Amino acid sequence: NAGVTQTPKFQVLKTGQSMTLQCAQDMNHEYMSWYRQDPGMGLRLIHYSVGAGITDQGEVPNGYNVSRSTTEDFPLRLLSAAPSQTSVYFCASTSGNTIYFGEGSWLTVV
Amino acid sequence: KNEVEQSPQNLTAQEGEFITINCSYSVGISALHWLQQHPGGGIVSLFMLSSGKKKHGRLIATINIQEKHSSLHITASHPRDSAVYICAVIDDMRFGAGTRLTVKP
Repeated sequence: NAGVTQTPKFQVLKTGQSMTLQCAQDMNHEYMSWYRQDPGMGLRLIHYSVGAGITDQGEVPNGYNVSRSTTEDFPLRLLSAAPSQTSVYFCASTSGNTIYFGEGSWLTVV
Repeated sequence: KNEVEQSPQNLTAQEGEFITINCSYSVGISALHWLQQHPGGGIVSLFMLSSGKKKHGRLIATINIQEKHSSLHITASHPRDSAVYICAVIDDMRFGAGTRLTVKP
């Protein structure tokens, strides 16, 4: 039981490049979510999904896309990276009132 | 939207001291989480509270639903407690900005 697996751990992108952050969970949780964490600010919700085929926007969705084709996987896509998207990204999986986080992805856009 | 406020932002303590971190929120909730984030990033859930008080070892969390306030206490603090502590309202996925705790030997 691996919990929530998030990759890559570190990534440097050039402005305008695209990339996908991968997130997978093996706990059969319906609810998954993506956050970004910036200095001095709390975790902010980017997108979330309440089950396969269902996604919705969170607090800061602009510049990001998600899809949920299976219960296990919830990838986050940056379509055209911008320096403002330099941040630490966390994927989470929730069951009832229990939340599990991935290890985080450090993304730098230059 | 629920506003989640934490205090203090930074806290430095000597080993053995009693620590208190506070969290307040603006809208009624069903449950609040306290999370711990160590250097290097991993975030783990310490407590989920819907009422009263919970205790795990040297950590105690309390919540007052009427006053919309929760506290995390650490007794006999130790350098290994150094981390960022985050309160979270899972109902609408909102998080406090975190309290960076440093415990010096």
